[in-house]
Amino acid sequence: EAQVTQNPRYLITVTGKKLTVTCSQNMNHEYMSWYRQDPGLGLRQIYYSMNVEVTDKGDVPEGYKVSRKEKRNFPLILESPSPNQTSLYFCASSRGFSYEQYFGPGTRLTVT
Amino acid sequence: GENVEQHPSTLSVQEGDSAVIKCTYSDSASNYFPWYKQELGKRPQLIIDIRSNVGEKKDQRIAVTLNKTAKHFSLHITETQPEDSAVYFCAANFFGNEKLTFGTGTRLTIIP
Repeated sequence: EAQVTQNPRYLITVTGKKLTVTCSQNMNHEYMSWYRQDPGLGLRQIYYSMNVEVTDKGDVPEGYKVSRKEKRNFPLILESPSPNQTSLYFCASSRGFSYEQYFGPGTRLTVT
Repeated sequence: GENVEQHPSTLSVQEGDSAVIKCTYSDSASNYFPWYKQELGKRPQLIIDIRSNVGEKKDQRIAVTLNKTAKHFSLHITETQPEDSAVYFCAANFFGNEKLTFGTGTRLTIIP
């Protein structure tokens, strides 16, 4: 089954404790993205990757890191989380930025 | 910069009536315009998309129209049903940095 998976689905953590949200796709897609969704602000892109070892900043990259060492995986790293990073996070993959984005199930992160 | 504005932010429609959601984009080079539907607690999913070489596209009760001159596109849902209740997001691609930028979303409520 073609899918995008994310883990964990829910996470409550404390300020400053490093965390990683994993994302994996099995569709051989080259393009992968991370978005955060906040009420009234829609889906804002954090980082994206055009292919392995190629990543670039989206609209709200501050406080986040990513890596793309393999085509199927695109982890999101918060090295020192802060309360303003409390949000719903979605990973997505696609053939490219002008094609259908397939979203993962989402990760709800709470930073206290 | 890249910008997609979406209106209205909320919309209530009587069951059986039509709903229209409008988006404007900032870059005349954009040529891909998808619409995503997000049901409560679920991930966004593509419902229809249009490319700039056509002015209108239909899929059963859903249609999208594009006016490239005015840089706006609209989602039309006819004969609305309770299952159409959801948040809808428009998006546009931007070539300068290979991004897909989303609007802020419209919460559509169908009143039985």
